[in-house]
Amino acid sequence: NAGVMQNPRHLVRRRGQEARLRCSPMKGHSHVYWYRQLPEEGLKFMVYLQKENIIDESGMPKERFSAEFPKEGPSILRIQQVVRGDSAAYFCASSLARRDTQETQYFGPGTRLLVL
Amino acid sequence: SQQGEEDPQALSIQEGENATMNCSYKTSINNLQWYRQNSGRGLVHLILIRSNEREKHSGRLRVTLDTSKKSSSLLITASRAADTASYFCATDRNDYKLSFGAGTTVTVRA
Repeated sequence: NAGVMQNPRHLVRRRGQEARLRCSPMKGHSHVYWYRQLPEEGLKFMVYLQKENIIDESGMPKERFSAEFPKEGPSILRIQQVVRGDSAAYFCASSLARRDTQETQYFGPGTRLLVL
Repeated sequence: SQQGEEDPQALSIQEGENATMNCSYKTSINNLQWYRQNSGRGLVHLILIRSNEREKHSGRLRVTLDTSKKSSSLLITASRAADTASYFCATDRNDYKLSFGAGTTVTVRA
């Protein structure tokens, strides 16, 4: 059973470009979470999605960031008009059921975004 | 502000020694989890301890939880070079948002 997959693993963008980060959850998992890790810091929650629904996006910046988890295909975190401050590692996690039933979140390897 | 904060920030030990790191948090929690992150890699879930548990073991790992002091400790016994990594505690307040600290970087010298 493959783990959580993220691609690309590394992404370089110039200021003003768009970044698209993909996450395929573990097989059978329908809950996806995105976290951001700035250098020398812990992970910060961004958004929680289920298939075709955004459950909680309270950790997402109000502008330029969006996320989706379509019925078919991976979850996508999209950052428009990237700025240098967006440079970070973005991690996706998935769980079998809703988090508050104490299901473990399994993390992907992350996408490291560098904005030049 | 971060819910969990690890102490120390960095730890260097000799292979075979034990490594202990601590985590403090601010609000009540449902459970506390420890993760390991090797340099440039993703997070590996190590152990989950629920708020009504005081101690838990998994292989060479021992985790304690003191809810009255809002603190937890992770002990790695008989450390190996492969234990070199950053260790994070993450608190779960009965929602889906894990709150991570900044981590403890552990270096195990051969």
